[in-house]
Amino acid sequence: RKEVEQDPGPFNVPEGATVAFNCTYSNSASQSFFWYRQDCRKEPKLLMSVYSSGNEDGRFTAQLNRASQYISLLIRDSKLSDSATYLCVVNSNDYKLSFGAGTTVTVRA
Amino acid sequence: DGGITQSPKYLFRKEGQNVTLSCEQNLNHDAMYWYRQDPGQGLRLIYYSQIVNDFQKGDIAEGYSVSREKKESFPLTVTSAQKNPTAFYLCASSIDPSREAFFGQGTRLTVV
Repeated sequence: RKEVEQDPGPFNVPEGATVAFNCTYSNSASQSFFWYRQDCRKEPKLLMSVYSSGNEDGRFTAQLNRASQYISLLIRDSKLSDSATYLCVVNSNDYKLSFGAGTTVTVRA
Repeated sequence: DGGITQSPKYLFRKEGQNVTLSCEQNLNHDAMYWYRQDPGQGLRLIYYSQIVNDFQKGDIAEGYSVSREKKESFPLTVTSAQKNPTAFYLCASSIDPSREAFFGQGTRLTVV
């Protein structure tokens, strides 16, 4: 079983729509959780950290469910510029960040 | 500006040749990492270093070597023993291993 699994998508949504997707992780001892954004042929960039109580940054909301071992990302009022691959990242032990393969989101005009 | 600098951006390697990818950071981060990304796949950890003069193998270290002689620098050598080196290589650093990592712009290596 992979340490971090994501639905690869693609999620194809119109501008202004809400899109949400999840990521599951296998190590119940994981402590740190992040969402990164990666544009085509570019480096990943930190979108947001995910806290136990859930957190929001503008149009983006992240949730953590430790009991079911998943994290989620919700994007409201989608913009064309939100088109990217979103990587779920979990700190699975003291030294290693484990990356999911990514969920592709395409926002159409 | 603080950040991580990787060079070169594109690199072409002939069969049987060793090549070295540069990674420099001025964020004063202790931890540094090398990842490899293949098309449609997630990032896989090659090597990591938590402190100067110390580094550890990641999940796919075979055919690669690193050094960490200075806090700011963590070069990666792709040796001829790496049979399928064509990939996108990403260097990252973090203030400590449990925290978010920040990435350089990557080096795209192609075997010709």
